[in-house]
Formats: sequence, C-alpha cells, structure tokens
Amino acid sequence: AQSVTQPDIHITVSEGASLELRCNYSYGATPYLFWYVQSPGQGLQLLLKYFSGDTLVQGIKGFEAEFKRSQSSFNLRKPSVHWSDAAEYFCAVVPSGGSNYKLTFGKGTLLTVNP
Amino acid sequence: DTAVSQTPKYLVTQMGNDKSIKCEQNLGHDTMYWYKQDSKKFLKIMFSYNNKELIINETVPNRFSPKSPDKAHLNLHINSLELGDSAVYFCASTPLTGHSGYTFGSGTRLTVV
Repeated sequence: AQSVTQPDIHITVSEGASLELRCNYSYGATPYLFWYVQSPGQGLQLLLKYFSGDTLVQGIKGFEAEFKRSQSSFNLRKPSVHWSDAAEYFCAVVPSGGSNYKLTFGKGTLLTVNP
Repeated sequence: DTAVSQTPKYLVTQMGNDKSIKCEQNLGHDTMYWYKQDSKKFLKIMFSYNNKELIINETVPNRFSPKSPDKAHLNLHINSLELGDSAVYFCASTPLTGHSGYTFGSGTRLTVV
C-alpha cells in the first residue's frame, strides 16, 4: 500500500544544534516529495520540494532535504536550529505521472527547541 | 493579497446546525482541495475539484457537500454538525500539473459544542 511515514513523533533539540527529520515513503514509482511546516495556530508553508534531478534540495529558512532512492527516504536537515523553528513538520507526497494529484501527508514530527 | 483565503477563521456552533466555510484563491490555479486536520494534527484530504468538476471524493459523510461556483472558489457546506466534526479545515490549490506543490489557506478552526 502507498504510504508516507515519519518515524519520529516528537524531537527536541537545543538552539544552535543540527536537525534531521526523517521521512520514508512506499510508492511504486518515486513520487513527488515535499516538506511543509506548520507553526502553532498557523497554516501550512512549503519548505521545499523534489521532483527529479539533484538529490539535495535547498529550501527556505535554511532547510535542505536529501532524496535517497535506495532508502526510499527524503530527510529534512538544518545545520543550526533557531528557536523560531519550533513547529510541526510534515512530509508529503504526490504520485508521479497520471492525473492523481492527491497530496498525502505523513503524521508529522513536532519539533521543540530548547534555549 | 492573500493567495488562498478562507473564511471564517474560527467557527463555534452547536450540534445539529448547518454551516459553510468559504475559500477563494487568486493564483489562477486549476485545482482546489479541502483537507481536514484532526486533534492529532493528522491531515487528510476530503475533496478535490478541477475547474469546477469533482475529481476526488474521499470517504466523507454525505453531510459534507463541496460546491465550486468557479475555479477560483471552493466552498464547504456541512449539515447537521456533530461533535466529531470539530477540526481545522484547510483549503488548498494547485496548478493542473500538481507537482509544484499545494498552496494552503490559513485554516478554519471549527468547534462544535
């Protein structure tokens, strides 16, 4: 069955530390991949996306993600976390090809940043 | 100008009432969606319209009825509201190709009491 998994429900890091949020997918063909961020009480903001080409994708707010086909993963990273990065992070996928553009989300990872 | 705007932002209503949430996008996108985010933050698609035509209809009670008067608007009407309908509802839009990512509205927090 097609699915997207975020193994970590909650991650706590100290301000200035590095961050990696994990995302794995299970689809027949490599889907289009996205990371969204949701700050408390806010909507969803697109951080970055991957369709094809360079497997290291740069996004907004200093985030990057690396696509690894062999591991069916699309992990989000940031070298130095700021307190304002505390939020819920969602990995999401859209099947590539065809006309089904249904965006399916993982269950999210809540990031807490300690001062 | 807000790209995808939803109204109202907050909605508190009693069980059994009928309510509507409105959504408008000024991005020229072809496809619009409604998503529901439950209390555990899980986001699930409800409906999708492409140029006023319904293309995705997930397993949603028929008390929920989307309406798209034109491709820039997608409204959600809910009849006979139940406690379990309490959630945040997000509208989103995307170009026809879909893979450029969705643009989301800021959400409507519905509380049924």
